[in-house]
Amino acid sequence: DADVTQTPRNRITKTGKRIMLECSQTKGHDRMYWYRQDPGLGLRLIYYSFDVKDINKGEISDGYSVSRQAQAKFSLSLESAIPNQTALYFCATSDSRGGLYNEQFFGPGTRLTVL
Amino acid sequence: AQSVTQPDIHITVSEGASLELRCNYSYGATPYLFWYVQSPGQGLQLLLKYFSGDTLVQGIKGFEAEFKRSQSSFNLRKPSVHWSDAAEYFCAVGASGAGSYQLTFGKGTKLSVIP
Repeated sequence: DADVTQTPRNRITKTGKRIMLECSQTKGHDRMYWYRQDPGLGLRLIYYSFDVKDINKGEISDGYSVSRQAQAKFSLSLESAIPNQTALYFCATSDSRGGLYNEQFFGPGTRLTVL
Repeated sequence: AQSVTQPDIHITVSEGASLELRCNYSYGATPYLFWYVQSPGQGLQLLLKYFSGDTLVQGIKGFEAEFKRSQSSFNLRKPSVHWSDAAEYFCAVGASGAGSYQLTFGKGTKLSVIP
């Protein structure tokens, strides 16, 4: 039983379409993150949220938006998808009660292809 | 801004051989360092982390890493590799500024294990 779930796991869409990736967690963590992974580039931070009312841009936020609907839910949207947003997207969570640099727990990833 | 370099893109070792994966970081203050492993089709799992104290850190699955401030390195080691260790390994550095938090990942080292 996964603590961090992502839906969908795979998605193929067309250029210009709006798409939403969803992340849910049952770990009770207050912090949530969205990363994208590209071959040879590692993981890059898109957005992060320290609580429901706190949203912050990461390294590569252009072309993306997020919504923290509840402590357990953090969604990533591509308003108008473009091919170079084809990547593997990961959601992660962490617990601030353990200190600032507590471990981040990752979901299984969503593979997005934009044609 | 912090950065992480993993000089080896791909390493191949024989099962039972020793392993060392290199990681060099750049950060102006005391770094917070992590090693994550990503098995094929999976999310990332934390192997070990260094915050302070003993510079030799033990992790899960028989891995260890040594923090060397003078070399700005945090190399991952395992004395005897198992076939199940074939995966991609990511080094990451955590840093803060102006109350924010970001985890910066290296580009990863893919490990192949020969039976």
